Amino acid sequence: AQSVAQPEDQVNVAEGNPLTVKCTYSVSGNPYLFWYVQYPNRGLQFLLKYITGDNLVKGSYGFEAEFNKSQTSFHLKKPSALVSDSALYFCAVRDSNRDDKIIFGKGTRLHILP
Amino acid sequence: NAGVTQTPKFQVLKTGQSMTLQCAQDMNHNSMYWYRQDPGMGLRLIYYSASEGTTDKGEVPNGYNVSRLNKREFSLRLESAAPSQTSVYFCASGKGFVDEQFFGPGTRLTVL
Repeated sequence: AQSVAQPEDQVNVAEGNPLTVKCTYSVSGNPYLFWYVQYPNRGLQFLLKYITGDNLVKGSYGFEAEFNKSQTSFHLKKPSALVSDSALYFCAVRDSNRDDKIIFGKGTRLHILP
Repeated sequence: NAGVTQTPKFQVLKTGQSMTLQCAQDMNHNSMYWYRQDPGMGLRLIYYSASEGTTDKGEVPNGYNVSRLNKREFSLRLESAAPSQTSVYFCASGKGFVDEQFFGPGTRLTVL
């Protein structure tokens, strides 16, 4: 069965430092991977996705993510954090062998400290 | 271009009451989804519709029904609300299987 894990409930980073939000997945086929961000009292917004090709994917607001097939990971990164990056981040996975569900992780709350 | 809209934004129900959450998208997307978001649980898929005229169960369908009225609209109905259905409900739409989803602003539902 497909699954996705975000091992950290919360990540604290000082402004200006690099940030990483971790995500690991399990699928039977090829993974289609997504990152979304949620600001307070808002719906989710798409950040970036990996379907195929380059392992390093660039997305909105300076975020990028690295697909690592051997470690079944898709960690979200940013070289220099901003206070405005503070939000709830969700990783999601779809299995190429299944034509239905996308599974979301439980979310990681990112706090950027001024 | 409004994207995905949801009504109502807030609702309080008593146990046993029924209601319908409305969702509409103006992006000509084929797929539409209903999720619920609970603290510590992430987003869980209730029902989805891969195309007009089709609906399928997601991870937590019990207590809910859906209707894909046309390509634009996808409604979620609670026939007899229970306190366990207190949650924030999100509707989303997407072009296809490998495409990102676009989310509505959510409906905060409380069942007393």
